[in-house]
Amino acid sequence: KNEVEQSPQNLTAQEGEFITINCSYSVGISALHWLQQHPGGGIVSLFMLSSGKKKHGRLIATINIQEKHSSLHITASHPRDSAVYICAVRRGGAQKLVFGQGTRLTINP
Amino acid sequence: SQTIHQWPATLVQPVGSPLSLECTVEGTSNPNLYWYRQAAGRGLQLLFYSVGIGQISSEVPQNLSASRPQDRQFILSSKKLLLSDSGFYLCAWSVQGGNEQFFGPGTRLTVL
Repeated sequence: KNEVEQSPQNLTAQEGEFITINCSYSVGISALHWLQQHPGGGIVSLFMLSSGKKKHGRLIATINIQEKHSSLHITASHPRDSAVYICAVRRGGAQKLVFGQGTRLTINP
Repeated sequence: SQTIHQWPATLVQPVGSPLSLECTVEGTSNPNLYWYRQAAGRGLQLLFYSVGIGQISSEVPQNLSASRPQDRQFILSSKKLLLSDSGFYLCAWSVQGGNEQFFGPGTRLTVL
């Protein structure tokens, strides 16, 4: 079993829908990251969380340390949100990250 | 501002040929540097990380090696490529003691 599990693996929705992507992990962490990978492969960091909730525009990320679970929400989804969303947890020194498999999100107009 | 460069962007190599991928970071000093691989249909996997010149830690046994000849230069190499080396290779950097990693544009390697 992977240390970091994401669900769903694939998600297709219509423009405007509220999107939720889930991430569960099985190890102790110091931080959790949400990343966005565009079709060309480039990766952008969206959030880094160690507790609570963060919001940036239409994106919201939450984490429950006790339950070892995080969610990424997208409100009023748009086709430009189509990408692979990756959850990663930070363990140990040197900021090593362990990644989930990613969730491929497609938003149709 | 800091930037990270990787080249080449794409590469097609025959099995058994050597490999050299380069990553350079600008605008920062003494960064932590990382090499990741994303195989088709799989998540990112950490291959190597470095906390300083000449200091390389390997995360998984493999056909690849890494070197850091200069503070802001990280090189991924292989003497003989295998088919299984195909994938998307990403370099990343972070500030020493920092929490966030910044990723390069990646190199897509196809071994035929």
